[in-house]
Amino acid sequence: GQSLEQPSEVTAVEGAIVQINCTYQTSGFYGLSWYQQHDGGAPTFLSYNALDGLEETGRFSSFLSRSDSYGYLLLQELQMKDSASYFCAVRGSSNTGKLIFGQGTTLQVKP
Amino acid sequence: EPEVTQTPSHQVTQMGQEVILRCVPISNHLYFYWYRQILGQKVEFLVSFYNNEISEKSEIFDDQFSVERPDGSNFTLKIRSTKLEDSAMYFCASAIGLAGPQETQYFGPGTRLLVL
Repeated sequence: GQSLEQPSEVTAVEGAIVQINCTYQTSGFYGLSWYQQHDGGAPTFLSYNALDGLEETGRFSSFLSRSDSYGYLLLQELQMKDSASYFCAVRGSSNTGKLIFGQGTTLQVKP
Repeated sequence: EPEVTQTPSHQVTQMGQEVILRCVPISNHLYFYWYRQILGQKVEFLVSFYNNEISEKSEIFDDQFSVERPDGSNFTLKIRSTKLEDSAMYFCASAIGLAGPQETQYFGPGTRLLVL
């Protein structure tokens, strides 16, 4: 089967740093993406890693280790508006771009 | 900034009825997708579409489902005879290509389908 594991909930305070981990087991792997979703709204693209290492985009960074089938999303200088669900997603197919999503991590940012 | 749009935002239908969900992908995108999300659950892949044909479909996408790109802008998902378990949020997504940043999928706001 194909599965992605991530914590169900994370709580942090404003201004803090939080890391959301994702481990995956898929039949194919062509990249790991992170999406943010507010209250059932549209998933919004945050970051993408096809190669090992760290990608930084403003307050958000994402890391990938293909040998460990592991990645994480790092959110710095947390703001209240960062309270949302965060999904990791693996592109599992070379010729279609199909995304396989994890169950999502609900991040609650407290004052 | 260009965005994916979907109509309607909400659809209520009776079990056994046909529904058509509509999407307008970003204009220069070539790869199109439908996903669904049952309340409180993860986003699930339904189907991918490229060059006017289905390129991959999931086991969820059975004979009751079909997709079409009737013109140069619209991309539709039809459910022929809805079931209670089809109640979900349906997201359309599109991407420019399959390499590097071009493979980023941009999602529409979704259609919430409720089957009674």
